[in-house]
Amino acid sequence: DAEITQSPRHKITETGRQVTLACHQTWNHNNMFWYRQDLGHGLRLIHYSYGVQDTNKGEVSDGYSVSRSNTEDLPLTLESAASSQTSVYFCASSESGLVTEAFFGQGTRLTVV
Amino acid sequence: AQKITQTQPGMFVQEKEAVTLDCTYDTSDPSYGLFWYKQPSSGEMIFLIYQGSYDQQNATEGRYSLNFQKARKSANLVISASQLGDSAMYFCAMRALWKGGSEKLVFGKGTKLTVNP
Repeated sequence: DAEITQSPRHKITETGRQVTLACHQTWNHNNMFWYRQDLGHGLRLIHYSYGVQDTNKGEVSDGYSVSRSNTEDLPLTLESAASSQTSVYFCASSESGLVTEAFFGQGTRLTVV
Repeated sequence: AQKITQTQPGMFVQEKEAVTLDCTYDTSDPSYGLFWYKQPSSGEMIFLIYQGSYDQQNATEGRYSLNFQKARKSANLVISASQLGDSAMYFCAMRALWKGGSEKLVFGKGTKLTVNP
C-alpha cells in the first residue's frame, strides 16, 4: 500500500543546531507540504512543493528550508533551531491539480531545549 | 482572507448516537474544497471526507457525511452511530488559493470529540 512516512517520530535537539526532518511518500504525488501544529493555532503551512526542483514558502517559513530532488522526498531543515520551533511537524502529499485528498504522515514531535 | 472557524472546542456524545461537528468558512474564491480530518490521541491525521464547492450532493463516506450549506458557508461533519473509537480531535480544512495561483489547506483549530459508553 502507498504511504507517507516521517522520521524521526520524536527528536530533542539543542538551540542553534541544524535539524532535518525526513518525509517520504510512495503515492507518486507531485504535491508535498510541511505543516506545524501548535496548541491554539491548528496547522500552519511552512513550505510546499509542486514537483521536483520546485519549492515555495508558506505562511510560517522563517527559519525553515526544504529541497525537492526527487518525487518521493521533501526533507525539512531547521537552519538553527530555536525554542519557538518546538512543535509537532506534519508532512502531507496530494495529487497535482485541484487538491481533493491530502494524506498526512504520522507527525514528528520536535523539542528544542 | 480565507478562514475556517470551528466554534466547539469540545463535544460529548453517547455511544451509538449521532453527532454534528460545526465548521464555517470564509472565502471569496468561487472554487474551493472542504475537508475533514480525524486526529486520534496517537497523533496521525486521518483524511475522512471531501466536498467540492460545485458538488451538487453532500459527500458521504460510511458513517461520515458532510452537511454542506453553501449559502450559510457551513460544512458540518455528521457522524452517525458513534463508536468509542471516534473519540479524537476533528479538524475542518479548506482548499484555498495561495500566492501565484497555488493552493494550500487552511485548517480550523479543531473540535475534541469524546464518545461516552
